[in-house]
Amino acid sequence: AQKITQTQPGMFVQEKEAVTLDCTYDTSDPSYGLFWYKQPSSGEMIFLIYQGSYDQQNATEGRYSLNFQKARKSANLVISASQLGDSAMYFCAIQGDYKLSFGAGTTVTVRA
Amino acid sequence: GAGVSQSPSNKVTEKGKDVELRCDPISGHTALYWYRQSLGQGLEFLIYFQGNSAPDKSGLPSDRFSAERTGGSVSTLTIQRTQQEDSAVYLCASSLGERDTQYFGPGTRLTVL
Repeated sequence: AQKITQTQPGMFVQEKEAVTLDCTYDTSDPSYGLFWYKQPSSGEMIFLIYQGSYDQQNATEGRYSLNFQKARKSANLVISASQLGDSAMYFCAIQGDYKLSFGAGTTVTVRA
Repeated sequence: GAGVSQSPSNKVTEKGKDVELRCDPISGHTALYWYRQSLGQGLEFLIYFQGNSAPDKSGLPSDRFSAERTGGSVSTLTIQRTQQEDSAVYLCASSLGERDTQYFGPGTRLTVL
């Protein structure tokens, strides 16, 4: 069984500042993947970034980076230089075999 | 290239009616997934297809729910005798293989009156 915990239901961030979204997980799978998705008000789930459990380096993708601490079972997402278009719901998800298990999500609101 | 598409985007139906939701995955993706997103339950896995086979149907809430995939491409999720608790957004995703990144469609918002 897999479980994702996102403890921040909502966050406000000033435009151009960085924001960190917390994600902790629990799994019995020896090998797994961690994903972050963005869901704007339009509803579509947009893939942002992936981290494999055996990857040595933290994943980065443009303004997104993943702070992966395997021993602590955490995979926090850092969004740098926030933009107004970053306002959305963000979901952390874990994949052991094939299906994704999602956290409850964090709503990010970027202020001008 | 085209992403995952779903139709209809919105569906309003009366309790007791049957509905069909369609998903067209990214070309060449062998794996296809259905998820449901509702206010009370968050995002839940429903079913997984590898090709035309469904090795995992464990997330289907009841026997009123069924799904099929034909030609290794289009999938249809059917809900029979809809109930109000079926109201949710139904999301389809596809991936190249079973452990690859899943790309989602825009979803179908189902409202059961």
